Amino acid sequence: EVQLVESGGGLVQPGGSLRLSCESSGFTFSTYGMSWVRQAPGMGLQWLSYISTTSDDILYADSVKGRFTISRDNAKNSLYLQMNSLRAEDTAVYYCARGRISVAGYDYWGQGTLVTVSS
Amino acid sequence: QSVLTQPPSVSAAPGQKVTISCSGSSSNIGNNYVSWYQQLPGTAPKLLIYENNKRASGIPDRFSGSKSDTSATLGITGLQTGDEADYYCGTWDSSLSAGVFGGGTKLTVL
Repeated sequence: EVQLVESGGGLVQPGGSLRLSCESSGFTFSTYGMSWVRQAPGMGLQWLSYISTTSDDILYADSVKGRFTISRDNAKNSLYLQMNSLRAEDTAVYYCARGRISVAGYDYWGQGTLVTVSS
Repeated sequence: QSVLTQPPSVSAAPGQKVTISCSGSSSNIGNNYVSWYQQLPGTAPKLLIYENNKRASGIPDRFSGSKSDTSATLGITGLQTGDEADYYCGTWDSSLSAGVFGGGTKLTVL
């Protein structure tokens, strides 16, 4: 069974940092591109970032470019999102998702981890 | 303001059919595959349709997708109360070099 489990969310002050993790199981992680998508409270989905299988193709939304860094460790079957210079508007549930939206969409999603940026 | 435009809400009676539209432009829907997602309250999104009209694994044929020019449509027939959810379209935007989603449509089964 394919599983994606996010962790690392929590309360952080504006300007602070957090590192989210997404641990995968049930499939060969190294053969899939992976993405991060977030959802602010009561709002819609927002695409954040994509990383290819070998990390040679990395893309970001303008809203997080320069502040967030996506990475992966295929040996650990894990995806990461390093978030720096956090702002109140970054408050959201963060989902990791398997795939690339331009190809076949996201066929599996994690349960999400809540990040709250507040003083 | 979402790049893709969806109606905020749609409603229909059980057993009836409903369609949800997703309007974009040549830089997104017009030249890229569209996928559709169902999000039940308090849960993660679930893939329904990919590559414009292909049903994801385990999705019943009550759900269908289509695309024409710069618009896409999700159709749901034989509505059930369990279909009440938010539905999102998504695609790639070649001008933005980013993924984009519609603002979401809340389906109410009366």
